[in-house]
Amino acid sequence: DVVMTQTPLSLPVTPGEPASISCRSSQSLLNSDDGNTYVDWYLQKPGQSPQLLIYTLSSRASGVPDRFSGSGSGTDFTLKLSRVEAEDVGVYYCMHLGTFGQGTKLEIK
Amino acid sequence: QVQLVQSGAEVKKPGSSVKVSCKASGGTFYEFAITWVRQAPGQGLEWMGGTIPIFGTANYAQKFQGRVTISADESATTAYMELSSLRSEDTAVYYCAMSRFLRGHTYFAMDVWGQGTTVTVSS
Repeated sequence: DVVMTQTPLSLPVTPGEPASISCRSSQSLLNSDDGNTYVDWYLQKPGQSPQLLIYTLSSRASGVPDRFSGSGSGTDFTLKLSRVEAEDVGVYYCMHLGTFGQGTKLEIK
Repeated sequence: QVQLVQSGAEVKKPGSSVKVSCKASGGTFYEFAITWVRQAPGQGLEWMGGTIPIFGTANYAQKFQGRVTISADESATTAYMELSSLRSEDTAVYYCAMSRFLRGHTYFAMDVWGQGTTVTVSS
């Protein structure tokens, strides 16, 4: 079974500064059938349901600001926030076809 | 835009079962899958299983095989998750989510989520 490992687990960030979260899989996630890489990123804000940010490695979900971007290949994936805003606090999860990472808690310094 | 509305909080005894519903408001989820994800207190997200209404099929995470049943009605407006033989470790918030799917019944892009249903298992 695939294991998704996120780093860091805690991420204090100053507003306006960039931030990145890494997610590493235990095996390559390149889908040989269609050439896609099925890595999603979710944000769970405090007290809320998770929300989809990025799907299929780099596609932004509807309504997601363009300061969020996803990238990577093979076993290494990254979520980048170009400029952190106060509303971005919460726990970020990567996921591959139902397997979630442990979560990364982003907080404002 | 479809919204998912889940049934209310439940308190159950160990060994009993719980059935949580997830109703689509403003449309149906016919061309999508409904997946169920749970979150124990202070913990991360855990995928339980999903159903694809156009195929009429469901599949489950190994951990829950034999204890969980996920289904949807024929109109693809309400989905259900039933968990049996409850134990204290099943105390969690249970979420349904509308997602895309691949052949082989795997799921991605969970882009509409219910509000969550708290299930408490306690004697």
